[in-house]
Amino acid sequence: GAVVSQHPSWVICKSGTSVKIECRSLDFQATTMFWYRQFPKQSLMLMATSNEGSKATYEQGVEKDKFLINHASLTLSTLTVTSAHPEDSSFYICSARTLGQGAGGYTFGSGTRLTVV
Amino acid sequence: KNEVEQSPQNLTAQEGEFITINCSYSVGISALHWLQQHPGGGIVSLFMLSSGKKKHGRLIATINIQEKHSSLHITASHPRDSAVYICAVLGNQFYFGTGTSLTVIP
Repeated sequence: GAVVSQHPSWVICKSGTSVKIECRSLDFQATTMFWYRQFPKQSLMLMATSNEGSKATYEQGVEKDKFLINHASLTLSTLTVTSAHPEDSSFYICSARTLGQGAGGYTFGSGTRLTVV
Repeated sequence: KNEVEQSPQNLTAQEGEFITINCSYSVGISALHWLQQHPGGGIVSLFMLSSGKKKHGRLIATINIQEKHSSLHITASHPRDSAVYICAVLGNQFYFGTGTSLTVIP
């Protein structure tokens, strides 16, 4: 089946530094990638939607200059948390929509736990 | 108001028990997903439903489109079933429930 590989699975960084999270679709082409954030005991919240080759669409309240999303190819999307703050500590997860598989074609990455100290 | 409501929020069961998790939603959808999230955080898609019922091993998922309700059943529960189960509906975007934390005790 379709697999999305997400790296790193966890990362600890200092305040003010930047962190890049990668999601790769291993055996399919991901036309659309979704990035979510999940705080403890809360539901996943959509941060942004990116389509290959175009600018990402950010949800209300998500700073596009802080959370940089790049979807330069059909198999790779990246989320960069810039100038990280402790309040950015969260679980980040991507989901890819597979090409032509309609509503059923969504696969999740394994997630990245970010801790900013 | 959340577009997706799950119940119960927490559930503890003895090994072997039959478990039901419920999901109600308020938006028009094209599909409903049941997801499993383990303590490490990784998410696995268990089912995608647009109508009727699906079965995979000890897991059964049903959906009633008219009532905007879905249930996830686990038969003969096992400690390895312990996880958070999340209902997600696909309308114009994904809407997620807050999850049901299941603990199965040996």
